[in-house]
Amino acid sequence: EPEVTQTPSHQVTQMGQEVILRCVPISNHLYFYWYRQILGQKVEFLVSFYNNEISEKSEIFDDQFSVERPDGSNFTLKIRSTKLEDSAMYFCASSVRTDEQFFGPGTRLTVL
Amino acid sequence: AQKITQTQPGMFVQEKEAVTLDCTYDTSDPSYGLFWYKQPSSGEMIFLIYQGSYDQQNATEGRYSLNFQKARKSANLVISASQLGDSAMYFCAMRGTNNDMRFGAGTRLTVKP
Repeated sequence: EPEVTQTPSHQVTQMGQEVILRCVPISNHLYFYWYRQILGQKVEFLVSFYNNEISEKSEIFDDQFSVERPDGSNFTLKIRSTKLEDSAMYFCASSVRTDEQFFGPGTRLTVL
Repeated sequence: AQKITQTQPGMFVQEKEAVTLDCTYDTSDPSYGLFWYKQPSSGEMIFLIYQGSYDQQNATEGRYSLNFQKARKSANLVISASQLGDSAMYFCAMRGTNNDMRFGAGTRLTVKP
């Protein structure tokens, strides 16, 4: 069964460094999303992406964040200058339409 | 603004019994979708069930059913015949017309043998 994959599973970085989190959505899906979950808290929407552009973003998704679909398969989230409070699990998700969203296993980002 | 409320931080159920996890929502969008996800201790997010705001019938997926009461703005998840493997966090979520999705705070379900 096709699934969303994410790399790396765990990323450790120093405060102020740039990180790129990678996702490969399910191949026939058209909508892509990033979410984050700070340890012990609820899942928070960051951004949705459709037709090669951002369709919606939350207040969390400020100028430090950007997304890209550089080729036909990858979907990336870049954090330009990480802060301690960016430490969280980051989930990528994809969907065919705007109904079922399938999540990847997540990337745990630790900012030191 | 959209809001999702899960008022039960924790629930216990006896194995093989049914359990209802509550979810209420608030939105001004005419079209929206409601989701339930399961998050076991391993951390992954597992899609369980989806209900569109215009769907006439309540969604069902195996042992999961969604009790959708549009006038009350509630979308409760019913798990029938609970199994030990159902122990996990359960999140209710809502997608608005702008395709953003908001999650509730979650309910931790513990199934007792």
